[in-house]
Amino acid sequence: EVQLVESGGGLVQPGVSLRISCAASGFIFSTYNMHWVRQAPGKGLEWVSYISSSATTIQYADSVRGRFTISRDNAKNSLYLQMNSLRDEDTAVYFCARGGGYRFDSWGQGTLVTVSS
Amino acid sequence: QSALTQPASVSGSPGQSITISCTGTSSDVGAYNYISWYQHHPGKAPKLMIYEVTNRPSGVPDRFSGSKSGNTASLTISGLQAEDEADYHCTSYSSSSTPWVFGGGTKLTVL
Repeated sequence: EVQLVESGGGLVQPGVSLRISCAASGFIFSTYNMHWVRQAPGKGLEWVSYISSSATTIQYADSVRGRFTISRDNAKNSLYLQMNSLRDEDTAVYFCARGGGYRFDSWGQGTLVTVSS
Repeated sequence: QSALTQPASVSGSPGQSITISCTGTSSDVGAYNYISWYQHHPGKAPKLMIYEVTNRPSGVPDRFSGSKSGNTASLTISGLQAEDEADYHCTSYSSSSTPWVFGGGTKLTVL
């Protein structure tokens, strides 16, 4: 069974950094592309970032480009999102999702990041 | 403001059919057949229901179907059941600087 478990969320002040993680199991992690998707309170889903299976291709949403960095450790079956210069509008539940073609075929339950002073 | 437009809410009685629309542009929904739909019960992991406009992953009931016409995609749920009550989100691949765009989500209420 595919499992994706996010962790590392919390309450942080504007301007600080935070790294969230996603632990994958139940599939060969190193062969799958991965994504981060977020959902702000009361809002729809928003795609954040993509990383290919071997990390050779990385993409970001305009809203986070230059502040967020996606990475992965295939030996540890883990996906990461380093978030710098956090803003109030980054407050959201962050989901990791497995990429299947152009779709997100499995998701975690998310980790809540709250940016507030 | 989400890139794709969905109705904020729809409702239907058990056994009825409902359709949720997802309107984009010629840069996303109109340009690609990479439209997918997700069911999300708050607090749980979203679940893929439809991909590439019309395809259902294994295990998704055939009560769920998808279609597309021009810049608008649609999700139809027939024979509504109480467990279908959830939020539904559409997404499309896009030729814009953001390669995947989502709708704002639609809350389905089963009366």
